[in-house]
Amino acid sequence: QSALTQPPSASGSPGQSVTISCTGTSSDIGVYDYVSWFQQHPGKAPKLMIYEVSKRPSGVPDRFSGSKSGNTASLTVSGLQAEDEADYYCSSYAGSNNLVFGGGTKLTVL
Amino acid sequence: EVQLLESGGGLVQPGGSLRLSCAASGFTFSSCAMSWVRQAAGKGLEWVSAISGSGGGTYYADSVKGRFTISRDNSKNTLYLQMNSLRAEDTAVYYCAKTRGAYYGSGSFDFWGQGTLVTVSS
Repeated sequence: QSALTQPPSASGSPGQSVTISCTGTSSDIGVYDYVSWFQQHPGKAPKLMIYEVSKRPSGVPDRFSGSKSGNTASLTVSGLQAEDEADYYCSSYAGSNNLVFGGGTKLTVL
Repeated sequence: EVQLLESGGGLVQPGGSLRLSCAASGFTFSSCAMSWVRQAAGKGLEWVSAISGSGGGTYYADSVKGRFTISRDNSKNTLYLQMNSLRAEDTAVYYCAKTRGAYYGSGSFDFWGQGTLVTVSS
């Protein structure tokens, strides 16, 4: 199973919005609404930020939002804060009992 | 409070075996699918394996199929990963992750352990 494609880096200034893309295929993102996004700070375990494309677990700020169009999913972080600086990973169900992750995007708050 | 505590990692020679454990608490363990996800140093996340709440369904990434076996003991609230025929490329931090619900394919891993390091080297 091939990994999903994410840009290696993204950045924005405090208060700005930034969108991270996650590109898959018609066999994963394009056909299943099982896209999740995870935030990972250095040396820490990942944290679920978005599941099922656009749902937010309790406790996740509404500054984080998810969407999907065709084979590409997106995570938007609005009102950037210093603590948002982290690595972000997307994942998707890929059929045939497989789950795939993206390569990760390092978000820098300038 | 949900807690997941992995153990069993360590240094093993290529071709060797290791069994990881993940002790769970704070939720109804038998109701949730569980997964193992690994991360090599400086690399991204890789889903390794999943198991249904009852243990009746097990699923594996192609990279570990035939070498790793996932299992669970719902009476002990513990998840396991038996790793055989280990290779250098299996070197990683291994996380156990709880699925938000019964279906692992949703990928909605809402709680993660702290991870346990597996190093395969001679």
